[in-house]
Amino acid sequence: RKEVEQDPGPFNVPEGATVAFNCTYSNSASQSFFWYRQDCRKEPKLLMSVYSSGNEDGRFTAQLNRASQYISLLIRDSKLSDSATYLCVVNIPPGSSASKIIFGSGTRLSIRP
Amino acid sequence: EPEVTQTPSHQVTQMGQEVILRCVPISNHLYFYWYRQILGQKVEFLVSFYNNEISEKSEIFDDQFSVERPDGSNFTLKIRSTKLEDSAMYFCASSEWGQVNQPQHFGDGTRLSIL
Repeated sequence: RKEVEQDPGPFNVPEGATVAFNCTYSNSASQSFFWYRQDCRKEPKLLMSVYSSGNEDGRFTAQLNRASQYISLLIRDSKLSDSATYLCVVNIPPGSSASKIIFGSGTRLSIRP
Repeated sequence: EPEVTQTPSHQVTQMGQEVILRCVPISNHLYFYWYRQILGQKVEFLVSFYNNEISEKSEIFDDQFSVERPDGSNFTLKIRSTKLEDSAMYFCASSEWGQVNQPQHFGDGTRLSIL
């Protein structure tokens, strides 16, 4: 089983739609979770951290289910500028002083006018 | 907003040559990282660095690779005797602390092309 697994998509949705992505992780010791977005041939950019209680940032809502080892990202009222690849990122406790970060392969989202 | 900066943006090198990729992390950050992303594939962790030492490294980070912080601002990745399969985007990242809840901030990458 992959350490971090995502549906690669692509998701092709109209502007204004609501879209949700899931991500599963295999290491039950994983402690921190993030969503990054990556535009084509650009660097990953932090979208939001994911907290146990779930958290919201504007149109974006992230949820964590530790029992089932998955996290989700919900985008409401999608904009053309939301078109990107969304990367699920899991942080595993370190063997030494720094944590180890594992990226999923990403889910591609395309918003059409 | 402070940024991680990387140079060069694109490096073209003959197979077998050595290449050094440079990064300037965010100034108050203490932990530094290198990742690579082969075209069309996922971002892969290479190495983390703290207090002038490697903290963690992946299976990819073999004897061909080395990292260094030669002065107070730069963080470098050296690849000796490059191979065709080293062609990829290389991203540097930094975080203020090394705890698992600390997000990492990425530079915009160096595209390495091995001919």
